[in-house]
Parts: sequence; structure tokens; C-alpha cells
Amino acid sequence: DAKTTQPPSMDCAEGRAANLPCNHSTISGNEYVYWYRQIHSQGPQYIIHGLKNNETNEMASLIITEDRKSSTLILPHATLRDTAVYYCIVGTGNQFYFGTGTSLTVIP
Amino acid sequence: SAVISQKPSRDICQRGTSLTIQCQVDSQVTMMFWYRQQPGQSLTLIATANQGSEATYESGFVIDKFPISRPNLTFSTLTVSNMSPEDSSIYLCSAVTLGEGYTFGSGTRLTVV
Repeated sequence: DAKTTQPPSMDCAEGRAANLPCNHSTISGNEYVYWYRQIHSQGPQYIIHGLKNNETNEMASLIITEDRKSSTLILPHATLRDTAVYYCIVGTGNQFYFGTGTSLTVIP
Repeated sequence: SAVISQKPSRDICQRGTSLTIQCQVDSQVTMMFWYRQQPGQSLTLIATANQGSEATYESGFVIDKFPISRPNLTFSTLTVSNMSPEDSSIYLCSAVTLGEGYTFGSGTRLTVV
């Protein structure tokens, strides 16, 4: 079963940073935090993952709290193409159980 | 990361028939999975496709309805049997490679009439 809680929807102005929160208070010590997104009618796309430290790649940044009970995905300069459903998943890299995700709408 | 080809991309089927969905990965992967995504919903894990042995099904899914094969490390099939309109969904294949995370196919959009 999914172990994460995310807001069902968010809006973000184009060009601004989108900050997507995720609660995972029951995360285990060996579980990673993964973020995926699903653009309409496509398969989910990997964004980023982390264990304890903050991570950054060409798509996004991942901020994990020190107690690891929550995290935030940051899209630094949102574009219209970032409109999608964003899923936060915790796991060891084996079975992935998806929660309901956050539907992000980037507004012109 | 691995690239997954899934086919068919979509199909319209008569109730009572069966459809087999194929998933081909371009490299050997550690694990393969099948998901279902009902309209407007999130992804639900159906089963883990085990190479050379029976698939491991999640609660609510049974082998008679969703038989799965995985004859080697790069290929798997999911059959949706004796279909009803409630089986209309997107079915997605995914694969995981150690150190590379999960990759998903583009899905099969099934409509049962």
C-alpha cells in the first residue's frame, strides 16, 4: 500500500518555482523517496530520488527533511510542459505502490 | 535507463474475449511489473512478473484473470481474460534495473465493449 500523502492538486505560475510536498511519516531507514510524473496518457516518467541528502538534477531538486518524514520536490522554473500528475513514492526499489499524487497545473 | 516497448498501444475488445499485452525491454532487467490504471485513477500494482516462475499477485488480482508470463529477462506478457467493461483501463509494464530505478512503458489503453 502507498505510504505517502500528497495534496490532490496545485497551481503554479509559469516561470515560477513549483514546490510539491509529500508526507511519508512511516518511511523505513532503508527506503528511498522517489518522484515520478505522468503527463496525460503517457507512462510515468522518473524525476529524481534520494535517501537522506538533498538531491538535484537537470529536472528538479529534492529536499528531504532531517527526520525523513516529509520531502518537497522543487521544479525551479515551471513551464506549461510541467503540467502533470506528480507521484511521491517510498520504497527500496522493488515493488512501487502509487498514491493518488498531486495534479500540478502550470498557468500561463 | 532501459527502454520498454509495449504493444498493442490500444485495443477495443468484445466482452468475454481475452487480450494479451506484450512488454519488451531493450536490456536485461532485474524485475518486471504490471500495473493497471483505471480512468482518472492512480496506478495499481497487479503483479510482479518472475522470470522462470509463477508471477506474484497483489491482493485483489488472480492468475486466472490476469495470467502473466516472463520467459526471459527482457520479455513479459499480461493476458486480460474473459473481459468485461470493468476491465477497461490502461495497462502498464514496468521494469527495474539495479542502480537505474523504474522505467515504464507507454501503456496499453484497453476498451471493452
